[in-house]
Amino acid sequence: AQSVTQLGSHVSVSEGALVLLRCNYSSSVPPYLFWYVQYPNQGLQLLLKYTTGATLVKGINGFEAEFKKSETSFHLTKPSAHMSDAAEYFCAVRINNNDMRFGAGTRLTVKP
Amino acid sequence: NAGVTQTPKFQVLKTGQSMTLQCAQDMNHEYMSWYRQDPGMGLRLIHYSVGAGITDQGEVPNGYNVSRSTTEDFPLRLLSAAPSQTSVYFCASRAGGGEQFFGPGTRLTVL
Repeated sequence: AQSVTQLGSHVSVSEGALVLLRCNYSSSVPPYLFWYVQYPNQGLQLLLKYTTGATLVKGINGFEAEFKKSETSFHLTKPSAHMSDAAEYFCAVRINNNDMRFGAGTRLTVKP
Repeated sequence: NAGVTQTPKFQVLKTGQSMTLQCAQDMNHEYMSWYRQDPGMGLRLIHYSVGAGITDQGEVPNGYNVSRSTTEDFPLRLLSAAPSQTSVYFCASRAGGGEQFFGPGTRLTVL
């Protein structure tokens, strides 16, 4: 079975500090991995994705994630948090052509 | 393009009532999906469709029906609503292996 675990349901950082949101997956096949962001009362927006090739993936809004096969991880980072980054973040793995499995989400709070 | 649209935005039902959540996309995507989002559980796939006339079950299909008569529309039907179906419902679409686009969601409460 394929699944996604996000460590920490809530993360709080100060404005300008490093953002690190953790995601581990289990997969029996090479995974397609995604990070989505959800702002209050909105749908999900794609931040970045890993399919094949370069393991360091750059996304929108200054976020990036690194696929580490040996650690089965796909952690999301941003060097310097902005107030506008406050949202909920979801890691997901595509388990076949028709289905994606999502983590439980991590709510990011940015303190001034 | 409007992208993925969903109606209604909010709905309150009584136990046993039926209703249809509407979803439409104008991007000519063949893949469409319905998810429910519950606190602490992320999104879970209810049903999906790979094209007009073709639907299949996802992870949590019980209590829901779908049909896909056109490429654009993918309604989700609750035949007899239960309190356990209180959730936020998201429709999504994508073309082949491309990015999945999500609608704004429908917040459903079943009393």
